[in-house]
Parts: sequence; C-alpha cells; structure tokens
Amino acid sequence: AQSVAQPEDQVNVAEGNPLTVKCTYSVSGNPYLFWYVQYPNRGLQFLLKYITGDNLVKGSYGFEAEFNKSQTSFHLKKPSALVSDSALYFCAVRDSGTNAGKSTFGDGTTLTVKP
Amino acid sequence: DAGVIQSPRHEVTEMGQEVTLRCKPISGHNSLFWYRQTMMRGLELLIYFNNNVPIDDSGMPEDRFSAKMPNASFSTLKIQPSEPRDSAVYFCASSLGLGRGYNEQFFGPGTRLTVL
Repeated sequence: AQSVAQPEDQVNVAEGNPLTVKCTYSVSGNPYLFWYVQYPNRGLQFLLKYITGDNLVKGSYGFEAEFNKSQTSFHLKKPSALVSDSALYFCAVRDSGTNAGKSTFGDGTTLTVKP
Repeated sequence: DAGVIQSPRHEVTEMGQEVTLRCKPISGHNSLFWYRQTMMRGLELLIYFNNNVPIDDSGMPEDRFSAKMPNASFSTLKIQPSEPRDSAVYFCASSLGLGRGYNEQFFGPGTRLTVL
C-alpha cells in the first residue's frame, strides 16, 4: 500500500523568507513523488517530480524539493517566498513496484505568504 | 494545447435530478482520472481509466455514481439521482501512459456542483 502525509495544514511565512512544505511517504517499492499546487478556483497544477537520480529536484516558479530516502521525505522548498506563492500544495506518491496507475495525494497544505 | 476541458464549469440542480459532467482529456493521453474535492474530505479519487477501460472504481461513493469513457477523447461522470451531499468540485485529469507511473497528471479547471 502507498500513503503520503502532509503534517502541516497551514504554513505561514513572510515574503522574502525561505519556505518549506513538508511531505512524508510510505511505499513498498521505490517511490515516484510529485508536488502540485492549487490556486483558488483552479485545478491542480504540476510543480515537480522525483523519479530517480539526483535527490534535489528543481521545478516551476523557483520551487525545488529534496528526496530523502532514509527519512522517507520529499519536502518542498523555495529560497525566497512571494505573496503570489500563497496557495494549496499537494504532495503525491506512486509506488513504482506495483502496476497501480493511481497516485495517492496528501491532504494538502495551505501556504500563506504575508507581505 | 487546450489542456483538459471540463463542462459545465458550474452546475446548480435540485435534489433528485440527474447530473452529467463531461471531460475531454489532452490529446494523446491514455489515462483519465475523476476526482472530487470538498472541504471536509479533501481530494478523493473516484475512478480512473486506462485506454478507455475502467481500472479502479473503488472510490465511487455509491451506485448513484457512474462513469464512462466511450472513446479516447471523451468521458462522462453521471450522478443519478443527485443529493445535496454530492455538492463538491469535480476534477478530471489525464496523463500519459498508465504503465509509466512517473508521468504527472494534468488537471482540468473543475466543475462546481451544487445540489439544492
């Protein structure tokens, strides 16, 4: 079985400060990991993914995420937050060791960046 | 590319009526997913298709819900009869290659359903 946890419902940061949105996962095999962002009244948009290789993945809008196998984590980061980054962020995992085609999504973390 | 297209964008109906939501996936994508999002339950996967065949419908809440994919460019999600608790935003998403689990999903803008 695959699962993902986003331990924080809400993250608040000041504009210009670094931000981190946390994600941990559980899979039987090797994970495929994804981050999506949802702006108000919009569908989810893909930000970045980890498949294999370099543990630091860079994505859209200056976001990056670090895959840590020993801690089973895939935290989303950005060096300098913008007010426009305020949105709902979802982490998702898919177990590469199964034929299941579906990803399991976390409950989401609301990021608020204050000016 | 126009992305995933969903219609209608908003639907208001009365309890007991039939509701049909429509989705056109991105051309060339062969996996299609239907999700429901509410404040209480978050994002729920209802059903997904690969090459027009339903693979997993374990998320469909009850027999009132049904989904079809008659061809590679069209899918419907039907609720009959609708109930107030079905009020939610329904998303359709598509991706390339179910077997290639590393492909990301592309989401449509959603249909906001209100059942009175």
